[in-house]
Amino acid sequence: AQSVTQLDSQVPVFEEAPVELRCNYSSSVSVYLFWYVQYPNQGLQLLLKYLSGSTLVKGINGFEAEFNKSQTSFHLRKPSVHISDTAEYFCAVSDETGGFKTIFGAGTRLFVKA
Amino acid sequence: GAVVSQHPSWVICKSGTSVKIECRSLDFQATTMFWYRQFPKQSLMLMATSNEGSKATYEQGVEKDKFLINHASLTLSTLTVTSAHPEDSSFYICSASSDSGDAFFGQGTRLTVV
Repeated sequence: AQSVTQLDSQVPVFEEAPVELRCNYSSSVSVYLFWYVQYPNQGLQLLLKYLSGSTLVKGINGFEAEFNKSQTSFHLRKPSVHISDTAEYFCAVSDETGGFKTIFGAGTRLFVKA
Repeated sequence: GAVVSQHPSWVICKSGTSVKIECRSLDFQATTMFWYRQFPKQSLMLMATSNEGSKATYEQGVEKDKFLINHASLTLSTLTVTSAHPEDSSFYICSASSDSGDAFFGQGTRLTVV
């Protein structure tokens, strides 16, 4: 069965600094990987996804992530964060053995300080 | 991209009553849909996998008699919370996956039981 580990529950960072949110997964087969953002009292918004092809994936709002199969990681990065990036970020994985059900990590709270 | 519509977006009900939440895939056929629950400041937990024309598959610890799932067509799955109690208050989200492994989420339903 697949699983997802988000290594940091909270990441405080100053505005305009770079940030990396870490995500590791486990799966015995080919995986599909996602990053979602959730603002308070709202639903999920897809930031980016890896289904196949290039391992460097660019998403919305300046975010990108790199799929590293050997390290089973899919870390999310942004070179310069804004106050408005403060939110909860979820890494997620799905694969064919699970009927494509999406399993979420525990989430990382990104807090951008002025 | 594909759209999954969830209705209602929020609902308040009295303790002991039942509430039905609808999840529709608007522009593709989804043989499989998924239902998640999210408690405040927590991640999304998979409740069940909804299969068109057959019984739902529930995750461990989820009461199938309390959370009734019906997937009568390729574009509609419903979750009914029966005899709701305050501890059932939560954010419920549905998703549908395409054959390519991509996942699409509804906007979520905030249920408050008073």
